[in-house]
Amino acid sequence: AQKITQTQPGMFVQEKEAVTLDCTYDTSDQSYGLFWYKQPSSGEMIFLIYQGSYDEQNATEGRYSLNFQKARKSANLVISASQLGDSAMYFCAMRDPPDKLIFGTGTRLQVFP
Amino acid sequence: GAGVSQSPSNKVTEKGKDVELRCDPISGHTALYWYRQSLGQGLEFLIYFQGNSAPDKSGLPSDRFSAERTGGSVSTLTIQRTQQEDSAVYLCASSVGGNYGYTFGSGTRLTVV
Repeated sequence: AQKITQTQPGMFVQEKEAVTLDCTYDTSDQSYGLFWYKQPSSGEMIFLIYQGSYDEQNATEGRYSLNFQKARKSANLVISASQLGDSAMYFCAMRDPPDKLIFGTGTRLQVFP
Repeated sequence: GAGVSQSPSNKVTEKGKDVELRCDPISGHTALYWYRQSLGQGLEFLIYFQGNSAPDKSGLPSDRFSAERTGGSVSTLTIQRTQQEDSAVYLCASSVGGNYGYTFGSGTRLTVV
């Protein structure tokens, strides 16, 4: 079975700095997908970025990038130039075949001025 | 519709009563998922639909929980004889399947008193 581990319950970062949120995973599948979601205090889950196991390049979406290290089974989220609005819970997830996502326990990011 | 719609947004019920939670997915999304999020916790998978069938019900916590989907569209999650431990936010998501991310609704906050 797939497993996602997020070891940082909380992180602090100063506005305009970069921050890395850790995610490791465990799977015996060769083909898999990894996702990151943001959950602000309002509660909605916002899809941020996706990385496929066969993608040769790290995924990027604006200020978000995914540092994918397949051999280490890690898929860390990097947020560049943090903004106050980035304060939220961040969840790493992966697909558990055939079609459901399993989520890590999340990291609460707080951006301070 | 433009997004995943869930109703009601908030529900307070007395212990022992039955409740129905509704999810209206994005038009054309064949896959629909129910998750539960307890206060400060990650997302717990409950059930997933592909069309009107539920290939994976493994996350339903007890036989008090059931769900159905009709017309490949609206889904209803029913909790019978509610208990205080059922208090949580119930999130619905839909997807076109494959490695596309889910789109989540805003959730139903259920409080059992």
